[in-house]
Amino acid sequence: DSGVTQTPKHLITATGQRVTLRCSPRSGDLSVYWYQQSLDQGLQFLIHYYNGEERAKGNILERFSAQQFPDLHSELNLSSLELGDSALYFCASSVAPLGGTEAFFGQGTRLTVV
Amino acid sequence: SQQGEEDPQALSIQEGENATMNCSYKTSINNLQWYRQNSGRGLVHLILIRSNEREKHSGRLRVTLDTSKKSSSLLITASRAADTASYFCATGNSGGSNYKLTFGKGTLLTVNP
Repeated sequence: DSGVTQTPKHLITATGQRVTLRCSPRSGDLSVYWYQQSLDQGLQFLIHYYNGEERAKGNILERFSAQQFPDLHSELNLSSLELGDSALYFCASSVAPLGGTEAFFGQGTRLTVV
Repeated sequence: SQQGEEDPQALSIQEGENATMNCSYKTSINNLQWYRQNSGRGLVHLILIRSNEREKHSGRLRVTLDTSKKSSSLLITASRAADTASYFCATGNSGGSNYKLTFGKGTLLTVNP
């Protein structure tokens, strides 16, 4: 158990809908990272938050947004969903953003858009 | 975009043999990390090597880093069937106050009993 909790584990929704994925980082970790994993694109970095502030953005679509709350949990909002958004979405947390420390991953949310 | 590229994409060996996976990257890094993923599950951190280190060991794992060639290798010795998984290298980049951890596409390792 990594200590990172993601909910829900599975999500099936229709095209055009909006969903929210939730992540609770390990106790004491201030950094949260979101990744999208699909068969054709591999593991794509989406966004990084540190202590409530956005620190880095990757290949995140404009239809996607994220935030980190004062209690450090994070949410990834996906809107106007398309079939191609079907993927595994991972959240990871680490102690610090700079210098580099290991990241701890949750078990992921499997999103299926039908 | 992917920063690291693992090689080979897939590797099949017999139990007891050693497995070597390579990773090449493009830009300067703060550190390089290796992760393991069992099918459809979360990634598990294996080892981190900083840019000023050349070699690191952890149990049956040995990682090397050559910053002049922008490459790293992961060696798993005396492999076991339970080592069957995908292995990813990830590069840590810090540009100013922005920090990214960027993954390659992985090597699928199959260890046959």
